[in-house]
Amino acid sequence: GENVEQHPSTLSVQEGDSAVIKCTYSDSASNYFPWYKQELGKGPQLIIDIRSNVGEKKDQRIAVTLNKTAKHFSLHITETQPEDSAVYFCAAVSSARQLTFGSGTQLTVLP
Amino acid sequence: EAGVAQSPRYKIIEKRQSVAFWCNPISGHATLYWYQQILGQGPKLLIQFQNNGVVDDSQLPKDRFSAERLKGVDSTLKIQPAKLEDSAVYLCASSLGPSGYTFGSGTRLTVV
Repeated sequence: GENVEQHPSTLSVQEGDSAVIKCTYSDSASNYFPWYKQELGKGPQLIIDIRSNVGEKKDQRIAVTLNKTAKHFSLHITETQPEDSAVYFCAAVSSARQLTFGSGTQLTVLP
Repeated sequence: EAGVAQSPRYKIIEKRQSVAFWCNPISGHATLYWYQQILGQGPKLLIQFQNNGVVDDSQLPKDRFSAERLKGVDSTLKIQPAKLEDSAVYLCASSLGPSGYTFGSGTRLTVV
């Protein structure tokens, strides 16, 4: 089955700086890659996603890049704000429509 | 649209007791998933339903866990008997197609 590796496990940045989270996946048939933000006591919430036929997608301060050859995708958050502090998960969806998550990154934005 | 509803939000039970969680997916979403999220880890798939049929339950510990989705709408996940290592958040999610997964807020289970 699919295996998703995520790094780093914790990340602290100063407010206004950028944050980058990286993931790799194992199943070359995976074709959809969402990113989720999870706040304490809540379920994961979709913040951005990318499909396998696209290399990059941007939504305001958030961008995601995908390298299918290397089976690697990344989340970039620019101009970070304290409210960006949360746990972020990458995920990959296989042809069986199963969502496999990475292990998560605890992002802390320091004021 | 209304989100994925789960209940209860919290549950504390003693080991060897039984417990059940309920999920009501987004209306019209044919696919329903149950995930287990242990503290500090990413959610792990337990079972996937397509309408009222099981697509994948390979990660479900069938000696103690069971799940059903009658009439292809609501779903119930049961644990009997519970073990200490079952302490986790149980998340339900639904999707209409190969994207757009929506998660509920989860049920936090503590087994003592």
